[in-house]
Amino acid sequence: QKEVEQNSGPLSVPEGAIASLNCTYSDRGSQSFFWYRQYSGKSPELIMSIYSNGDKEDGRFTAQLNKASQYVSLLIRDSQPSDSATYLCAVNLSQRGNKLTFGTGTQLKVEL
Amino acid sequence: KAGVTQTPRYLIKTRGQQVTLSCSPISGHRSVSWYQQTPGQGLQFLFEYFSETQRNKGNFPGRFSGRQFSNSRSEMNVSTLELGDSALYLCASSPLAGGGRTDTQYFGPGTRLTVL
Repeated sequence: QKEVEQNSGPLSVPEGAIASLNCTYSDRGSQSFFWYRQYSGKSPELIMSIYSNGDKEDGRFTAQLNKASQYVSLLIRDSQPSDSATYLCAVNLSQRGNKLTFGTGTQLKVEL
Repeated sequence: KAGVTQTPRYLIKTRGQQVTLSCSPISGHRSVSWYQQTPGQGLQFLFEYFSETQRNKGNFPGRFSGRQFSNSRSEMNVSTLELGDSALYLCASSPLAGGGRTDTQYFGPGTRLTVL
C-alpha cells in the first residue's frame, strides 16, 4: 500500500462546476496535510494546509480532513480553466521536522 | 520577500560525473528540504536540513548528499551520476522547526538535471 494515494485522473469538469479531489494516507500518526498545485513545467505551489479534522476554506478552495478515515480532500468551487493543473496531496510523515510524502497527483482539466 | 531560489536552473552532465546544486531559502527560513521529481516516481523526499544538521532523510543511496550553511543556504551533491538521476530537483524552505503542526514548505523553481 502506498503511503499517500490519489487518483491520477484526468478529472474533467466544466467551467463553473465544483471539482472534488481526494487523497488517502496510510500513517495514522500523520499530523500535517497539504495540497499543492503544479502546472506543467513548473514547481509545486502551495494551495492549502490543514491540521485538524473538519473543513478549512480559503477563497474558492476548501480542504477537508478526516483523520479517522485517513482521508483528505480538496474542493474547488467555480472551477476556471486556469485551475487546470496537477494537484498533489502531501502528508508530513515526520514527527520532528519536514518530510513530505506526496501522492502521484490528480490531473484536473476544466473545460470551457 | 524573495522566494526560494535555485541555481543552476538547467544542467547537463554525463554518467560518472558529479554535480552540486544550490538553494537559497526565503529570508528567515531555517529548514531546507530537497526533493526529486521524475515522471515515473513522482515527487520523492531526499533530505531535510535544519540549523546545519540533517534532520530527516529519504530512501536514496549515499551518492546523494547535502549540507546547509550558517546562513541557511543549502547545497545538494550527487556523485557518480547515473542515467536515472535525470530529474527535476526541487528545494523547499519553511520558517519553523516543523514536526507535528509543521509549517508549510515553499518550493523553488527547481534545477532540471539531464544525465547523458
